[in-house]
Amino acid sequence: EVQLVESGGGLVQPGGSLRLSCAASGFSFRNYSMNWVRQAPGKGLEWVAYIGFVTSFIDYRDSVKGRFTVSRDNARNSLYLQMNNLRDEDTALYYCARGTNWAFDSWGQGTRVTVSS
Amino acid sequence: QSALTQPPSASESAGQSVTISCTGTSSDVGGYNFVSWYQQHPGKTPKLIIYEVTKRPSGVPDRFSGSKSGNTASLTVSGLQAEDEADYYCNSYAGARTWVFGGGTKLTVL
Repeated sequence: EVQLVESGGGLVQPGGSLRLSCAASGFSFRNYSMNWVRQAPGKGLEWVAYIGFVTSFIDYRDSVKGRFTVSRDNARNSLYLQMNNLRDEDTALYYCARGTNWAFDSWGQGTRVTVSS
Repeated sequence: QSALTQPPSASESAGQSVTISCTGTSSDVGGYNFVSWYQQHPGKTPKLIIYEVTKRPSGVPDRFSGSKSGNTASLTVSGLQAEDEADYYCNSYAGARTWVFGGGTKLTVL
């Protein structure tokens, strides 16, 4: 069974940093691209970042470019999102999602990030 | 990276059919056959129900179907059941390893 478990969320002040992690199990992690998707409270889904199984392939939504860095450790079956210079509008539930057939076929339960002073 | 356009809400009676639209541009929906749809019940994780415009993952009932014409994709739910009441989100590949979601549609089964 595919399992994705996010961690690392919390309350942080504007301008602060957080590092999210996603532990994967139940599939061959190194063979899949991965994504981060977020959902602000009461709002819709928003794609944030992509990392291919070839880690040279990485991209971000415009609003987080230069502030967020996605990475992966295939030996640890783990996905990461380093978030710097956080803004109020980054407040959301952050999901990691496996990429398959140009879609997101498995999702974790999410980790909550709150940016507030 | 503008969000795709979905109606905020839709409603139909149990047993009937409803279609939810998703409008983008030639840079996303119209440019690729990589539209997917997700169902999200309140407080739950999104679930993939349609990928590559028309394909259903294993276990998704055939009451759910997808289509696309030009820059607009559609999700049709036939034989509506109470458990279909949820939020539905479309998504499209937008090139250069980026994706864009729609704003979501709240489906009410009357």
